[in-house]
Amino acid sequence: QPVLTQPPSVSAAPGQRVTISCSGSTSNIGAKYVSWYQQVPGTAPKLLIYDTTERPSGIPDRFSGSKSGTSATLVITGLQTGDEADYYCGTWDNSLNIGVFGGGTKLTVL
Amino acid sequence: QLQLQESGPGLVKPSETLSLTCAVSGAPLRSEIHYWAWVRQPPGKGLEWIGALNYRGNTYYAPSLRRRATVFTDTSKMEFSLTLTSVTAADTAMYYCARGRFLSDYFDSWGQGVLATVSS
Repeated sequence: QPVLTQPPSVSAAPGQRVTISCSGSTSNIGAKYVSWYQQVPGTAPKLLIYDTTERPSGIPDRFSGSKSGTSATLVITGLQTGDEADYYCGTWDNSLNIGVFGGGTKLTVL
Repeated sequence: QLQLQESGPGLVKPSETLSLTCAVSGAPLRSEIHYWAWVRQPPGKGLEWIGALNYRGNTYYAPSLRRRATVFTDTSKMEFSLTLTSVTAADTAMYYCARGRFLSDYFDSWGQGVLATVSS
């Protein structure tokens, strides 16, 4: 079982806003930065958010990240059909001394 | 521009050893702020950390794989590798190599992945 918990799926219509949650504990999300990855089926994951709130060059500001306590959230606004993908959160776990991922959330743009 | 490229046999027999290599170009392996990692993804499932190493040779392994996985590097060849012993069908997965950033712990570059199938 993944150390971080994400909802298996979310959906919304084009143009709408969607949030994806990532729940952890004091040994991971509560203590470390969170990253988010987008994975289109058949391709490698792509970094979307790092250091909990930062976007790499080229990632539109429709994507944003935040954290509160032991939970993190990815928000996507102005949904586009091209946003359909699997989304993963990741961080380091101080107890396990290894990186950990969430189980992934499939985003469907209706 | 950093590029990572995995290679290795596509098919491995049960109980044998899986060996994969990641060729690194466009950035030094000996970096104080990065580590080099392997992540896998079984068909239809999520991402799983396998292990990683830094420029000092320190290694980190997922508890479930620690006894079977080894990550090591050959800086002269600009590559790092993964061996996974005693494989079973449960080890069938897409294997990715990636570069991680210390303290922030995110992967800023990924290889395209290599599919390893365990089957007799």
